[in-house]
Amino acid sequence: DAGVIQSPRHEVTEMGQEVTLRCKPISGHNSLFWYRQTMMRGLELLIYFNNNVPIDDSGMPEDRFSAKMPNASFSTLKIQPSEPRDSAVYFCASSLRPHYEQYFGPGTRLTVT
Amino acid sequence: EDQVTQSPEALRLQEGESSSLNCSYTVSGLRGLFWYRQDPGKGPEFLFTLYSAGEEKEKERLKATLTKKESFLHITAPKPEDSATYLCAVQDGTDSWGKLQFGAGTQVVVTP
Repeated sequence: DAGVIQSPRHEVTEMGQEVTLRCKPISGHNSLFWYRQTMMRGLELLIYFNNNVPIDDSGMPEDRFSAKMPNASFSTLKIQPSEPRDSAVYFCASSLRPHYEQYFGPGTRLTVT
Repeated sequence: EDQVTQSPEALRLQEGESSSLNCSYTVSGLRGLFWYRQDPGKGPEFLFTLYSAGEEKEKERLKATLTKKESFLHITAPKPEDSATYLCAVQDGTDSWGKLQFGAGTQVVVTP
């Protein structure tokens, strides 16, 4: 299996621009998680889906962040408008079932100037 | 609120010098404790899951153990390729959906 796929791997944008991060989970996995990692705060859970349905978005920092999962093989995390404090590495992870181990993608390094 | 504390923050070892990393946790009821390895510029890589006190898991030079309040990751005779940040995460038994709470990690450097 190819593992979790994320794109782009790097994104540099200016403050105020819209940013869309993409994730393809491992085939057959029914849980999908979006995380953000920074030096200051470590790895934080933003939102997770089960069977394409958002279960808990309490980790989403602001209304500027939104996530969708239109089907079992694709999810997006959108930031609109972006701000410099959004600069971080964003990871997508998937698991076979909700309580099983999660497998992480390579991450998207976002820099907002 | 669930808390996960890892120590030490950083560890520098000579090749062959065995050591242990600690992960202490407070949860309402532990469903599972997970260990991950993260290399620079990459996503965390799953290593082990532990479910109950007394359980042990091994993989090559790594051995993870679990008590009611903490977990240890023992690195036996480490090699330079074991250099990485090791993360632990807990899954609260009261959460229905598998949410993980991660610690800050221990950065391990193994020198030849």
